[in-house]
Amino acid sequence: EPEVTQTPSHQVTQMGQEVILRCVPISNHLYFYWYRQILGQKVEFLVSFYNNEISEKSEIFDDQFSVERPDGSNFTLKIRSTKLEDSAMYFCASRVFDHEAFFGQGTRLTVV
Amino acid sequence: TQLLEQSPQFLSIQEGENLTVYCNSSSVFSSLQWYRQEPGEGPVLLVTVVTGGEVKKLKRLTFQFGDARKDSSLHITAAQPGDTGLYLCAVLSGGYQKVTFGTGTKLQVIP
Repeated sequence: EPEVTQTPSHQVTQMGQEVILRCVPISNHLYFYWYRQILGQKVEFLVSFYNNEISEKSEIFDDQFSVERPDGSNFTLKIRSTKLEDSAMYFCASRVFDHEAFFGQGTRLTVV
Repeated sequence: TQLLEQSPQFLSIQEGENLTVYCNSSSVFSSLQWYRQEPGEGPVLLVTVVTGGEVKKLKRLTFQFGDARKDSSLHITAAQPGDTGLYLCAVLSGGYQKVTFGTGTKLQVIP
């Protein structure tokens, strides 16, 4: 069964460092998303991406965040200068329009 | 901003008991979804309800969409330890169908 895969599963980084979280969406999907879940809190939308551009972003997705689809298979989330409050689980999701969104297993980001 | 409030926030029950989880909002939705998230995993879609008053069953799970399409409930009959997880109601919004999740109900079923 096709699945969304994310790497790494756990990333520890020092405050101020840049991190790149990677996702491989399901191959025929065209809509891509990043979500964040701070420990003990709800899953929050960060950004949606379609046709090689950001289609919608939340207020959380400020200038320190960026997304890219560098090739035909990967979808990345970059956090330019990490802060302690960026520590969270980050989930990638993909879908075909009007169908179920499939979520990856997440990357746990710990900023120390 | 659509706010989906779930209750209870936490629920710990014995195996075999029944339970109901609620999802409430002041907004009207064209559809509502329920997800389950297990520790260390991403959310997995369980069901989508579309019509006011609709009831859908998935084995021991019964989902109902409120008549006014503002709320929903999830009832689990004879809970099993495998039902343990975080249950999230959610709605799709925007032209690119982002998922807006509820506050979540963390269920623990004790053997």
